[in-house]
Amino acid sequence: GEEVAQTPKHLVRGEGQKAKLYCAPIKGHSYVFWYQQVLKNEFKFLISFQNENVFDETGMPKERFSAKCLPNSPCSLEIQATKLEDSAVYFCASSHNEGVNEQFFGPGTRLTVL
Amino acid sequence: QKEVEQNSGPLSVPEGAIASLNCTYSDRGSQSFFWYRQYSGKSPELIMFIYSNGDKEDGRFTAQLNKASQYVSLLIRDSQPSDSATYLCAVNDNFGNEKLTFGTGTRLTIIP
Repeated sequence: GEEVAQTPKHLVRGEGQKAKLYCAPIKGHSYVFWYQQVLKNEFKFLISFQNENVFDETGMPKERFSAKCLPNSPCSLEIQATKLEDSAVYFCASSHNEGVNEQFFGPGTRLTVL
Repeated sequence: QKEVEQNSGPLSVPEGAIASLNCTYSDRGSQSFFWYRQYSGKSPELIMFIYSNGDKEDGRFTAQLNKASQYVSLLIRDSQPSDSATYLCAVNDNFGNEKLTFGTGTRLTIIP
């Protein structure tokens, strides 16, 4: 598609439950990025993919967060055993393989952990 | 720890005036620089990018880069109420597909 798509828009989980977020990049874009926005404007990088391969996972909390990008499927970000501090908006962005790295963002998924 | 600093504002500018948004970055090796606009409750929208020293103009927007001073700015001419938003500065280590490091944003309000 012409835009990055993210589902669901909102997700509410009880502490300790699992949360799974999905992202479909812009058609033709090879790179997918996940960012977490907490406390208004603080963006934290989580992980990026080049096609189905992990490109950079330096921002991923190792214990409870995992992510995948499989062929012909939306990318996913999964949080096992959610904690209150996981409450945030999770943005997915995609970029193409050429030129300057212009990242285009999806609408985000707002995760609320109660 | 790479840092990108922005004045959080709020910055209030009369309609029709020039709004000037500033950003400094700590990593001298940073290569490309991006300005995003984020309306409340929405996703960041790319306005401009710049990677060469000097000015780059696009309509009412001008990005300015000074690598020696590690400083990048965004000027908005003829400010409109619809420009009221948070402006995020983002920095990339390279020209490739590395992660962006974001500042915390400057909230801009255009006063009619």
